[in-house]
Amino acid sequence: AQSVTQLGSHVSVSEGALVLLRCNYSSSVPPYLFWYVQYPNQGLQLLLKYTSAATLVKGINGFEAEFKKSETSFHLTKPSAHMSDAAEYFCAVSGPYTGGFKTIFGAGTRLFVKA
Amino acid sequence: KAGVTQTPRYLIKTRGQQVTLSCSPISGHRSVSWYQQTPGQGLQFLFEYFSETQRNKGNFPGRFSGRQFSNSRSEMNVSTLELGDSALYLCASSGGGQGGYTFGSGTRLTVV
Repeated sequence: AQSVTQLGSHVSVSEGALVLLRCNYSSSVPPYLFWYVQYPNQGLQLLLKYTSAATLVKGINGFEAEFKKSETSFHLTKPSAHMSDAAEYFCAVSGPYTGGFKTIFGAGTRLFVKA
Repeated sequence: KAGVTQTPRYLIKTRGQQVTLSCSPISGHRSVSWYQQTPGQGLQFLFEYFSETQRNKGNFPGRFSGRQFSNSRSEMNVSTLELGDSALYLCASSGGGQGGYTFGSGTRLTVV
């Protein structure tokens, strides 16, 4: 069975500072991993995905994530935070399930960016 | 390419009523999944439909049901509404592989 743990329900950074959002997963098979972003009153938007091609994955808006199998982690980073990055971020894992694939989402991390 | 369209955006219903939510996926996407999002429980998987067949189901009571039509449009129905059903209901479509989801903006259901 797959599961996802996001460390820290809230993260606050200053504008221009490094953004680091942590995600650890549990999966009995090689997983597919995703990061999504949700702005207020909107659905989720796919930021990036890991599907076993490369361990360092680049996404939209300057975000990237590194898959570390030994640490079962898929942390999301961005070198320099912008005010527009303030949102909620969800890590997700997808794997085979009876009849198809199932995607499990973490609890989310709300990112605050201070001016 | 049009995105995932969910209607209506907002709904207010009374306890005991039933409600139907609609989702039109991206053209060509045959997989439609539904999630319930609440502040306390986060994103909870309801069910997934693929080519008109329910392929996966989450741990929700039988009051929650869904269906998918031949054009891939999907509906979910909640009968005998309870206060705890108040949530943002999100629909997500995918091409069936592991490219990730495209989400709609959601339907915010308030049960009073």
